[in-house]
Amino acid sequence: DAGVIQSPRHEVTEMGQEVTLRCKPISGHDYLFWYRQTMMRGLELLIYFNNNVPIDDSGMPEDRFSAKMPNASFSTLKIQPSEPRDSAVYFCASSTSGRQRYGYTFGSGTRLTVV
Amino acid sequence: AQSVTQPDIHITVSEGASLELRCNYSYGATPYLFWYVQSPGQGLQLLLKYFSGDTLVQGIKGFEAEFKRSQSSFNLRKPSVHWSDAAEYFCAVGSGGYQKVTFGTGTKLQVIP
Repeated sequence: DAGVIQSPRHEVTEMGQEVTLRCKPISGHDYLFWYRQTMMRGLELLIYFNNNVPIDDSGMPEDRFSAKMPNASFSTLKIQPSEPRDSAVYFCASSTSGRQRYGYTFGSGTRLTVV
Repeated sequence: AQSVTQPDIHITVSEGASLELRCNYSYGATPYLFWYVQSPGQGLQLLLKYFSGDTLVQGIKGFEAEFKRSQSSFNLRKPSVHWSDAAEYFCAVGSGGYQKVTFGTGTKLQVIP
């Protein structure tokens, strides 16, 4: 298995632009998580899905952030409009409620810089 | 609400020395506990996890952790550290039947020759 795949690895954008981050979870995993990592706040859970349905989006910082999971193999996190304070590393992770549950597999992350 | 405290932000050890990273959790029932490692520029990798049973858990890369309910702790240990262990280590707590996991703030490990 190729693991959790995130794209792009790096994104530099200007303030006010729309940014879309992408994630492909591990096949067969029914949970998908979006995390944000910064020096100041550490790892923050933004939102997570179960069977493509958003379960908890209480960590989404503002309405500028939105996430979708149109099918079991793809999710997006969109920021519109982007602001410099959104600069962070965004991680996607997946896990299963099956026998190997509770072992998150993380992607390599997308480093977002908003200038 | 569940929470995790990692009291050490940075730790420096000599190669070959033993290592213990501290983790204290707060959770009302029996917790699900994890240790993850993050190398620079990489995502987090699961080292080990505790759900129930034997309180001493073995993980990958020669790491182990011990669950101590009386101390609300889940400290990570390694008998002999290698230079490649230099990374950031995160303790995390979750709850049974609920996939949401809360991470600690991490401990950055430096290994000196």
